[in-house]
Amino acid sequence: DIQMTQSPLSLSASMGDRVSLTCRASQSISVYLNWYQQKPGKAPKLLIYAAFSLQSGVPSRFSGSGSGTDFTLTISSLQPEDSATYYCQQSYSTPWTFGQGTKVEIK
Amino acid sequence: QVQLVQSGAELRKPGASVRVSCKVSGSTLSDLSMHWVRQAPGKGLEWMGGFVPEDAETIYAQAFQGRVIMTEDTFTHTAYMDLSGLTSEDTAVYFCATAPSGWYNVARYYYFDYWGQGTLVTVSS
Repeated sequence: DIQMTQSPLSLSASMGDRVSLTCRASQSISVYLNWYQQKPGKAPKLLIYAAFSLQSGVPSRFSGSGSGTDFTLTISSLQPEDSATYYCQQSYSTPWTFGQGTKVEIK
Repeated sequence: QVQLVQSGAELRKPGASVRVSCKVSGSTLSDLSMHWVRQAPGKGLEWMGGFVPEDAETIYAQAFQGRVIMTEDTFTHTAYMDLSGLTSEDTAVYFCATAPSGWYNVARYYYFDYWGQGTLVTVSS
């Protein structure tokens, strides 16, 4: 199985900050990497698919980059509503696996 | 706009089985690739399985092989996930999610775009 490792596990930043979350795969997964945002008690919400494609309706302050084993989700200007846990997920091979999540808090 | 509405919370004893349903509106099941993902309390997301068009079959994660069956009733637009041999470790919120695909180079990529609201399954004696 492909292991997905996210870092950091949590971070606290101020409104307007540029924030970068990292996801590393245990083997190369090309660009088959998705990012989700989850708020407490809610289903995950798709932000980015295929490493860098922004899902329709998602604010442009979210962007994805990377290929192979190293990926980044960037929030260009952190907003209060961005307080959530963010998960990466690979679809390169089954079983599709998720990272353990990065919890983002607003100072 | 696709909407997925799941059945309500369930309480089961260890060793029992549970069925969770996921009703689709805004599309037809045959046009969707339905998957199931679960989340234990305070934990991360775990893919259980689903229909993979590239393989033309339902693929189950090894962790659930022999215990899970995913089916669809295209007449009622409802997908089902049956999980047997429940233990306390199966206590979790279970989500259905659709997984469309696209092409990059010569391979398909998948992602979960629409999600149900989640169904809490509690296993306790």
